Amino acid sequence: KQEVTQIPAALSVPEGENLVLNCSFTDSAIYNLQWFRQDPGKGLTSLLLIQSSQREQTSGRLNASLDKSSGRSTLYIAASQPGDSATYLCALGGTSGSRLTFGEGTQLTVNP
Amino acid sequence: KAGVTQTPRYLIKTRGQQVTLSCSPISGHRSVSWYQQTPGQGLQFLFEYFSETQRNKGNFPGRFSGRQFSNSRSEMNVSTLELGDSALYLCASHRDIYNEQFFGPGTRLTVL
Repeated sequence: KQEVTQIPAALSVPEGENLVLNCSFTDSAIYNLQWFRQDPGKGLTSLLLIQSSQREQTSGRLNASLDKSSGRSTLYIAASQPGDSATYLCALGGTSGSRLTFGEGTQLTVNP
Repeated sequence: KAGVTQTPRYLIKTRGQQVTLSCSPISGHRSVSWYQQTPGQGLQFLFEYFSETQRNKGNFPGRFSGRQFSNSRSEMNVSTLELGDSALYLCASHRDIYNEQFFGPGTRLTVL
């Protein structure tokens, strides 16, 4: 059974700092990995999708990497802004279908 | 292009009642997945529908059911509500299996 862990659970940084969020998983038989952000009481916003054959994806100030052999993914946020404050979730898509297995999330606060 | 819509956004029910939630996917997407989010359990997969057929099912009791219509809109139903069913119910729209998933704003269900 796939288990997904996100560290740290919470992170507080000053504006402008570069930061890395971590996601680890136990089963490397994945099809893809997706990073989401969730604002309080809201739905999930898709940030990046990495297929299992890819090593990284970039979108603006965001860069996500995937290392299946070590069971790890990282989300790098450059030049953080207060608007980046949210909970960030990683989700693994397994090979048996569209079911996503989510981590517990990292709650990010960027202080002005 | 319009995003995923969910109705209603908020619901308050009492124990023993039943409830129906609706999800309209992005135009052209034929798959809809449903997730339950609670503070204690995080995000958990309920089921997935593709072309009006349930393709995948999570580990929830039979009180949770769903269906999909020919226009890809989906509904989920929870019968005999329990206090523990209080949660944010999210649906995700995707073109097909293994594709990027896009989430709606969710329906907040409170069971009293």
